[in-house]
Amino acid sequence: EDQVTQSPEALRLQEGESSSLNCSYTVSGLRGLFWYRQDPGKGPEFLFTLYSAGEEKEKERLKATLTKKESFLHITAPKPEDSATYLCAVQAGGSGNTGKLIFGQGTTLQVKP
Amino acid sequence: DAGITQSPRYKITETGRQVTLMCHQTWSHSYMFWYRQDLGHGLRLIYYSAAADITDKGEVPDGYVVSRSKTENFPLTLESATRSQTSVYFCASSRKETQYFGPGTRLLVL
Repeated sequence: EDQVTQSPEALRLQEGESSSLNCSYTVSGLRGLFWYRQDPGKGPEFLFTLYSAGEEKEKERLKATLTKKESFLHITAPKPEDSATYLCAVQAGGSGNTGKLIFGQGTTLQVKP
Repeated sequence: DAGITQSPRYKITETGRQVTLMCHQTWSHSYMFWYRQDLGHGLRLIYYSAAADITDKGEVPDGYVVSRSKTENFPLTLESATRSQTSVYFCASSRKETQYFGPGTRLLVL
């Protein structure tokens, strides 16, 4: 069964304290791994797509990496405005062109000033 | 502005009533999706559509009906609302693999 597990469930950091969020996945043929940011009361906002092991993408203080079993979202010198829930999702190869995503339950990040 | 919108944003209804949640996108994306988000379950796919008049079930379709007569609209209907359908509902549309989400509808079933 295709599955996505995110850890930790919650993370508290001091401003400037770098850390990483983990997304472990079990999927029958990975077509893509996606990271989203979700602020309270809003819809998920797209951040990155990763397609193959070894791929990395960066955006401001965020860097996403991918291996054959997991992805990391590294947050460098976070600021309070980085506080949000970060969602990981995978698209399995068996989904063909349907685009169906399987989501993890998210990591809620709080960055204190 | 172009994008994806949902209405209503908040809805309170009673058990047994029919409720329709609306989703509209201006990108002309072929694919559209409906998810529900609940504590402890994350985002779960209810239904999706590959194009007008083509829809298919997701992970949790029971109690829901969808239609797609126009590319830009994808309404979700709860035929007879139950308390277990209290949730936050998100609509999404996709350009290639990437899905873009609407702001959500908070539904409370009393």
